[in-house]
Amino acid sequence: DSGVTQTPKHLITATGQRVTLRCSPRSGDLSVYWYQQSLDQGLQFLIQYYNGEERAKGNILERFSAQQFPDLHSELNLSSLELGDSALYFCASSPHSESTDTQYFGPGTRLTVL
Amino acid sequence: GNSVTQMEGPVTLSEEAFLTINCTYTATGYPSLFWYVQYPGEGLQLLLKATKADDKGSNKGFEATYRKETTSFHLEKGSVQVSDSAVYFCALSDRGAGNNRKLIWGLGTSLAVNP
Repeated sequence: DSGVTQTPKHLITATGQRVTLRCSPRSGDLSVYWYQQSLDQGLQFLIQYYNGEERAKGNILERFSAQQFPDLHSELNLSSLELGDSALYFCASSPHSESTDTQYFGPGTRLTVL
Repeated sequence: GNSVTQMEGPVTLSEEAFLTINCTYTATGYPSLFWYVQYPGEGLQLLLKATKADDKGSNKGFEATYRKETTSFHLEKGSVQVSDSAVYFCALSDRGAGNNRKLIWGLGTSLAVNP
């Protein structure tokens, strides 16, 4: 158990819909990262927050947005969903934002768009 | 830009066989290098890391040495077990602009160990 929690574990929805994925980092960790893992693209970094502020952006679509709240939990919002958005979405946390930091991953949310 | 290249899988070995999973990287500066492992149905977990040239990371019998001259970070284990069956990811840290941090990932190598 990494100490990172993600809800829900599974999500099934229809094209055009909007969903929210939630992540609670390990106690004391200030950085939260979001990743998308799909069969064709592998593991893709989406976005990082550090202590409430956006710190780095990766291959995140404009239909996706995220935020980190004062209690440090984070939400990833996916809107106007398409079939290709079906994937595993992982959240990870680390103590700070150093390049040597270990990232601790949650169990993931499996999103299926029908 | 920075990138990580891993050997393609799947790799299938018998128990107690020697394992090597190749990883090479392209990077400017001095990134940190990582191996993460993903067991079936689980999230990724750090296996080992190295933060500078010639460092050796090791954990659970796995080892990898940061080789700057060959830009490699190959994962090795002397005697694999069935419980090592998983997907292994090589990654490097990317300082990026403005002091940002993110990991750049290889595509993963699936390992199956047969009894």
